[in-house]
This record gives sequence, structure tokens and C-alpha cells, in this order.
Amino acid sequence: GESVGLHLPTLSVQEGDNSIINCAYSNSASDYFIWYKQESGKGPQFIIDIRSNMDKRQGQRVTVLLNKTVKHLSLQIAATQPGDSAVYFCAETGANSKLTFGKGITLSVRP
Amino acid sequence: ETGVTQTPRHLVMGMTNKKSLKCEQHLGHNAMYWYKQSAKKPLELMFVYNFKEQTENNSVPSRFSPECPNSSHLFLHLHTLQPEDSALYLCASSQRLAVYNEQFFGPGTRLTVL
Repeated sequence: GESVGLHLPTLSVQEGDNSIINCAYSNSASDYFIWYKQESGKGPQFIIDIRSNMDKRQGQRVTVLLNKTVKHLSLQIAATQPGDSAVYFCAETGANSKLTFGKGITLSVRP
Repeated sequence: ETGVTQTPRHLVMGMTNKKSLKCEQHLGHNAMYWYKQSAKKPLELMFVYNFKEQTENNSVPSRFSPECPNSSHLFLHLHTLQPEDSALYLCASSQRLAVYNEQFFGPGTRLTVL
């Protein structure tokens, strides 16, 4: 079936370094992709999104890259801070408007 | 604050109890969702409502009964649950039911079924 998955369950980075979180998806018809951040005790929070007609989108300290050829999505966080520690989810949706989420990866920032 | 509130934040119930989860969104959105988040599993979509009408039931057992009295409120009625139903239940809303619509999530209700 269609699925969205993350390559690694955890990622540990040094404060100030850049973080890269990767995600693979299997539905080639997916048209819209979102990265969510979930901190402990909170619901998922929108970080950045990208439509399938784009391959890169930048926000404040975050960049999302989309490679439709290999069905790969990545989230880059510049100058990672302790407040970035959380679980990150990629999600995708297609014509049915239903979001399909990946399992989540934990980002841990070392001081 | 995302504009989506959920109550209660924590709930412990026995298998014979009946309880309800409440979600309210203050964003003027027209679509609302219930998700289940279990440990080590992706978020699972349970129900979708669009303009108060249910548009999706993702094969959810009948012991979970949703109710959407208006576009701002969403309930999840629970009865005769099983221990494996213990999870974080998340409510979300979006402006409309469409592809390019960000979903805003509430903080969730942590449910424990004894």
C-alpha cells in the first residue's frame, strides 16, 4: 500500500550544526507535502510545506527539498537550537485530500 | 496556541465506561478530523467532517462514535473500549477539505484504558 516513511528513528546533532531529516514516500500521485514538528505534550505543529510543482522551498531557518524522481523529501534545519528538539513527521496528500503521515523521527540537540 | 483546543487533556477509563472527548476550533475552519497516535506508529486518520457532514470513516470500530454538531465543535464518544485503544487522540481542523490545506492540530487527549 501507499506509505510515507522515515529512514532513521533518531537523529542527534550538535547545537549550531545543520540538521537534515529525510523522508521517503511511495505514492507518485502525491501532490502536497508537509513537515510537522511535535514537542512533548503537544500536537503536531506545521513547519513548512511544498507542492509537487516545486523542488525547494525555504522558510525561517528551514528548507524543504522535494525530489519527485526518487520520491524523497527532506527537511533541513540551519543552526539547530535546543528548541528544535522534537519529533518530526513528514506527511503527504494527493487528490483524496487525506494526509498520510510517516512514523516520525526524533531530533535530539546536544548542547 | 494553534487555535484548536481539546478536553480533557488526560483521561483514564475502564472498559465498561462511557466518556467523550471534545474538540473546539477557533479558526473559522470548515473541516475537522480525528486522529489516533499510538507509540511507534504513524498518525492514523479516524474520521473526517466537512461542513458538519462525515466524509470519512477509516474503518474505525463502532465503539468510537464521532459527533459534529457544528463546524467549530467535534466530539468523540467512547464506550466499551479495549486496552489497545490507549493512545493520544488528536483533533485537527483545516479551512476546507482540499489538497493544499494545512491542518492545525490540538494538543491531544492522552487516553488510558484499564
